Amino acid sequence: GAGVSQSPSNKVTEKGKDVELRCDPISGHTALYWYRQSLGQGLEFLIYFQGNSAPDKSGLPSDRFSAERTGGSVSTLTIQRTQQEDSAVYLCASSLLGDREQYFGPGTRLTVT
Amino acid sequence: QKEVEQDPGPLSVPEGAIVSLNCTYSNSAFQYFMWYRQYSRKGPELLMYTYSSGNKEDGRFTAQVDKSSKYISLFIRDSQPSDSATYLCAMDAGGTSYGKLTFGQGTILTVHP
Repeated sequence: GAGVSQSPSNKVTEKGKDVELRCDPISGHTALYWYRQSLGQGLEFLIYFQGNSAPDKSGLPSDRFSAERTGGSVSTLTIQRTQQEDSAVYLCASSLLGDREQYFGPGTRLTVT
Repeated sequence: QKEVEQDPGPLSVPEGAIVSLNCTYSNSAFQYFMWYRQYSRKGPELLMYTYSSGNKEDGRFTAQVDKSSKYISLFIRDSQPSDSATYLCAMDAGGTSYGKLTFGQGTILTVHP
């Protein structure tokens, strides 16, 4: 079956612009996660959704970052007023309720110039 | 100091060698321990998952967890060139931290023919 998909695969944006990153989880997966992977920091947790609610937003690095999930499916991660330090690969994962196996998408490579 | 420490390598071994990958951690609340494999420009994929201390074997892969020492290992027997990838350890404390994986930096492994 289809895995987790993310779009765009690559995004180049100018400093100060807003960007939206999209994640389509595996059908039926109620849990959805966003992570960020950068050279200096490795893979970091950003936010977790159970259904449409986000019980854990503790990893969002600043108030410029927000995420939403609608219909218990697609999620969008929005970064406002992008900074160069936001350059990273943004990974989305999904899992079944109660299952600890997280299935990752291929990521969106964000470059802020 | 990071919660999870992992030697980034790189590690280069000949085909057929036994590979040992390790992580140490400081948070005694971690209960679930995973190893992910990540190929270049791809998302991580789950290799092994263990709960609490002990060993788990799956084909050529063996995961060990020693909670008393806060130390986990992944052994790869009869390593193959296709095993060349970055290996990431990840940990989950469960409870209110459910699904929030904390990753090591990743070890880059190359298996040469």
